[in-house]
Order: sequence, then C-alpha cells, then structure tokens
Amino acid sequence: QVQLQQSGPGLVKPSQTLSLTCAISGDSVSNNTATWNWIRQSPSGGLEWLGRTYYRSEWNNNYAESVRSRITMSADTSKNEFSLHLNSVTPEDTAAYYCARGGSGYENWLDPWGPGTRVTVSS
Amino acid sequence: DIMMTQSPDSLAVSLGERATINCKSSQSVLFSSNNKNYIAWYQQKAGQPPKLLIYWTSARESGVPDRFSGSGSGTDFALTISSLQAEDVAVYYCQQYYRTPWTFGQGTKVEIK
Repeated sequence: QVQLQQSGPGLVKPSQTLSLTCAISGDSVSNNTATWNWIRQSPSGGLEWLGRTYYRSEWNNNYAESVRSRITMSADTSKNEFSLHLNSVTPEDTAAYYCARGGSGYENWLDPWGPGTRVTVSS
Repeated sequence: DIMMTQSPDSLAVSLGERATINCKSSQSVLFSSNNKNYIAWYQQKAGQPPKLLIYWTSARESGVPDRFSGSGSGTDFALTISSLQAEDVAVYYCQQYYRTPWTFGQGTKVEIK
C-alpha cells in the first residue's frame, strides 16, 4: 500500500521559494510505471495540477503553464522522495499543496494523495 | 487546456435518496484507440485530501461502495450516489487525464437535506 508523507514550512515570505517534500513508502520514486505529482487547492477549493516528475530510463518533468517559469520538481532516490520548489511566491500562491501518485501510460488518475500542507504566503 | 465544468455547485439530498453530479469537458476525452473516456472522480471530506472513487469514467476503485457509479462519454459525465448515506457528505471533483495539464471541475458540495 503506497503512502505519501509531506513535509515543509507552512509560512513563506513573498518573493521567497516555497519548498515541499513528499516521502514515499510502499513504492519507489524510480518506479517506471508511476508518476509523482503536485496539486494545490486554493482557499476557495479549486484544484490545480502543478506538474509531475517521473522516471523512464531518465528523469522527466511536466509543468503547468501557469507556474512553468517558477517551478522545479526533482526526485531523491536515496531518500525515496520527491520535491517541489516554487520561487518568487506571492500571496496568490497561498494554498494547500498535495503530492499524489499517478499511473503510467494512460492511467493518470491520482491515487493516493498525501495529507496536504497548508502554505501561507505572507510577510 | 481542457476545461471541466461541474453542476450543480451544491446539492442537498435526503438520506437514502439519489444524488447526481454532472461534469462536462470542453472537448472530448474519449480516446478512440481504446474506446475509453479519461475521467476520474474524487471525494474530499472536510480536512482530508481528495480520495479516488472512480477512474475510466465508471471503474470503481477498490473498497468504494457500489452505491457510487460513474457514467458518460465524450464530453458529458455523471457521478451518481444511488442511496445517500451520512458518510457521503463531501465535495466531489471530476478530473480529466486525457491531456496534460490534468484539470479538475470546480467541485460539487453534497449535503444532507
């Protein structure tokens, strides 16, 4: 059974970098039949997929256009975890951030999800 | 991007009654080569992350009660709860995974009348 555990600060100052980590148990970040996703949920409840990282003989990343210029995702195989870095944050980046596992090929539903990290961008 | 629009935004249903949530995609999410519609449904209870209920439009995730069913094709989809239980109070989201960026409906809040 795959479980995801998130870590990272709940408060980030404007213009700084938001960094979150998702630790995986029950699977491998290098699994070439999985993708590792970040999604955020605004205070009003809307869900926005931010991007994914995955291994297919080499590491690949796909990012949402809305954050492409500010986002980096990476994986640490030694710790079996993956990370999100979002720079130059503004109050509009205030949200609950979730990591989630996706499937391979066409099986891109998201399951399971991490517990979420509520991040506030404020000075 | 494929836009997902759910209706209604909220609904109140009596215990034991049927609840139906609609989801419309801005373009078809039917992949002709495998005849599958790339739609998933999630349930989010207060203070919890979303939980996968249904994928491939109508396939129930393991452990999901059979009162939950999904249907539809092309651009129009629905999630039906055949007999609403108290534990079904939640916000429900549809998601397309036909093309990145994956996109979600705005959510439908289901309450007890």
